[in-house]
Amino acid sequence: AQKITQTQPGMFVQEKEAVTLDCTYDTSDPSYGLFWYKQPSSGEMIFLIYQGSYDQQNATEGRYSLNFQKARKSANLVISASQLGDSAMYFCAMRENTGGFKTIFGAGTRLFVKA
Amino acid sequence: DTEVTQTPKHLVMGMTNKKSLKCEQHMGHRAMYWYKQKAKKPPELMFVYSYEKLSINESVPSRFSPECPNSSLLNLHLHALQPEDSALYLCASSPGQAFNQPQHFGDGTRLSIL
Repeated sequence: AQKITQTQPGMFVQEKEAVTLDCTYDTSDPSYGLFWYKQPSSGEMIFLIYQGSYDQQNATEGRYSLNFQKARKSANLVISASQLGDSAMYFCAMRENTGGFKTIFGAGTRLFVKA
Repeated sequence: DTEVTQTPKHLVMGMTNKKSLKCEQHMGHRAMYWYKQKAKKPPELMFVYSYEKLSINESVPSRFSPECPNSSLLNLHLHALQPEDSALYLCASSPGQAFNQPQHFGDGTRLSIL
């Protein structure tokens, strides 16, 4: 079974608008962390934001925020005021307390920002 | 600029060549990782080193040989690769294995096998 599901292979957004990238996850471990990474065409994987399973508040980092709905097992990334430089692949990922060093990645969502 | 440095950025090699990929981090992280990433796919874990000892080998073919000379350096030695090994190879590091620790990635090495 997929542990991380990203159902949007590609998304378009107009510059300066907000966009939500969906991520659902599946785990029986009560302790886990959720991450979003950005990968431009240059290849580097850039860590954007982290949400812990025990965190009461949604994480925010500048224009990035994470809409964490624990009961629904969803961890959607919201990018506000999109910029052309936000065009990239975005991966949702999870680390479980019982998972050791392993990070589980979703299939990714390709975001295109239109001028 | 990333805090994990990978060299070279691009590598083209024949199937009989021997080459090495290098990775360096100076964040004091004790875990270092090699990933392989094919186009439009998520990264696939290959190896993990913890405190300079091999902790995970995800059944990677022996033509890939990792090495961790010290806590800051990670190498991937390549020999007799196949065309299907062409991919982006990403190095990453993290403080340890705790679930709340993100991995920090390098820019990657784009490898092409002729």
